[in-house]
Amino acid sequence: QSVLTQPPSVSAAPGQKVTISCSGSSSNIENNYVSWYQQLPGTAPKLLIYDNSKRPSGIPDRFSGSKSGTSATLGITGLQTGDEADYYCGTWDSSLSAGVFGGGTKLTVL
Amino acid sequence: QLQLQESGPGLVKPSETLSLTCTVSGGSISSSSYSWGWIRQPPGKGLEWIGTFYYRGSTYYNPSLKSRVTISVDTSKNQLSLKLSSVTAADTAVYYCARQGELLEDGFDTWGQGTMVTVSS
Repeated sequence: QSVLTQPPSVSAAPGQKVTISCSGSSSNIENNYVSWYQQLPGTAPKLLIYDNSKRPSGIPDRFSGSKSGTSATLGITGLQTGDEADYYCGTWDSSLSAGVFGGGTKLTVL
Repeated sequence: QLQLQESGPGLVKPSETLSLTCTVSGGSISSSSYSWGWIRQPPGKGLEWIGTFYYRGSTYYNPSLKSRVTISVDTSKNQLSLKLSSVTAADTAVYYCARQGELLEDGFDTWGQGTMVTVSS
């Protein structure tokens, strides 16, 4: 059971928009930065979003992040088949003094 | 360009100690702006944070693994290491090393390709 809760799967058609939620608590999401990662099949995770909403160099602006209270959201617009991957949220839990990840969400682009 | 490469035995016997090394190239592991972490992923499952070597010299471990884990840095070799003792089949996973910002809440911005470790007799 992950400390952060994500939906197991989401799907949408090419060109559409999808959001992935990440739910936590006051000891993690509410008071710490949230990051989002994309993991394509058979590859290492890749940082998509850091500090809740910032994009590393090279990440297209189709990807966005937001946070409100104890929840965070990853948004992807203009979906492409190449976006099919597993997506993970992550942050620090101040009560556990530990890094935590969500269980992951599999995105299917229909 | 920063690169991380994990290395170590792909097969470890139950009850033995798993030892992995992460070699950093294209940058210094002793940079005061970065911390370094280990993350693992059991087959078909999600990511699990193992621990972080904080840039100020302290280490933080997953509470569920804390009694068995040691993470250290060898600045002379520019390497991060992981030791996990008394392994069982549940420790079978792909193990990743990654660079993290200077805050413990910062994201992991650079990852190694990962190395698969199987625990089996």
